[in-house]
Amino acid sequence: KAGVTQTPRYLIKTRGQQVTLSCSPISGHRSVSWYQQTPGQGLQFLFEYFSETQRNKGNFPGRFSGRQFSNSRSEMNVSTLELGDSALYLCASSLGTHSGANVLTFGAGSRLTVL
Amino acid sequence: GENVEQHPSTLSVQEGDSAVIKCTYSDSASNYFPWYKQELGKGPQLIIDIRSNVGEKKDQRIAVTLNKTAKHFSLHITETQPEDSAVYFCAASRVQAGTALIFGKGTTLSVSS
Repeated sequence: KAGVTQTPRYLIKTRGQQVTLSCSPISGHRSVSWYQQTPGQGLQFLFEYFSETQRNKGNFPGRFSGRQFSNSRSEMNVSTLELGDSALYLCASSLGTHSGANVLTFGAGSRLTVL
Repeated sequence: GENVEQHPSTLSVQEGDSAVIKCTYSDSASNYFPWYKQELGKGPQLIIDIRSNVGEKKDQRIAVTLNKTAKHFSLHITETQPEDSAVYFCAASRVQAGTALIFGKGTTLSVSS
């Protein structure tokens, strides 16, 4: 069965620009979560979407946003990019139901470099 | 807020030896503790998890133990192989918090043959 697919895998942006990242979850998984991974802060939770609704949100500024479509695919957007936004952005999918809610399958990530 | 501390940050072992990675958590309400393995250029992969109603879980060469009183849990890898070389992350969460896992900072395990 296909895993979690993230696009693009690599991208370079300049400060002030915006970026949109895409994630296709495992078929049948209704929950999509996003994490930011940096050498200094490690893996940090951004937000979770379930049935097109944001179900949970981490401690990130409003420049970070996301959405989920009816087919469970998700996008995240970062506006007004800062140098500190350079990171690996990981998408993870899960069943989203109570018993399997937090069993995550991660994609390979989108590596964002802000110059 | 919830915090997860992970030790050591690096670990080097000889092939065939055992490796142990330890984590402590701060939120006594945490009840789900997964371990992830991340290889270069890949996303984290779940290798084993444990819920707070059990003290130990084993899957072939990998085992996890949980001490709720002391708020710490450990990953044990026996008979290590070069392909076990990777970064390992522990995490903690409340089942009610859904997918908002709190991760440790990771342990880089190197297995030399």
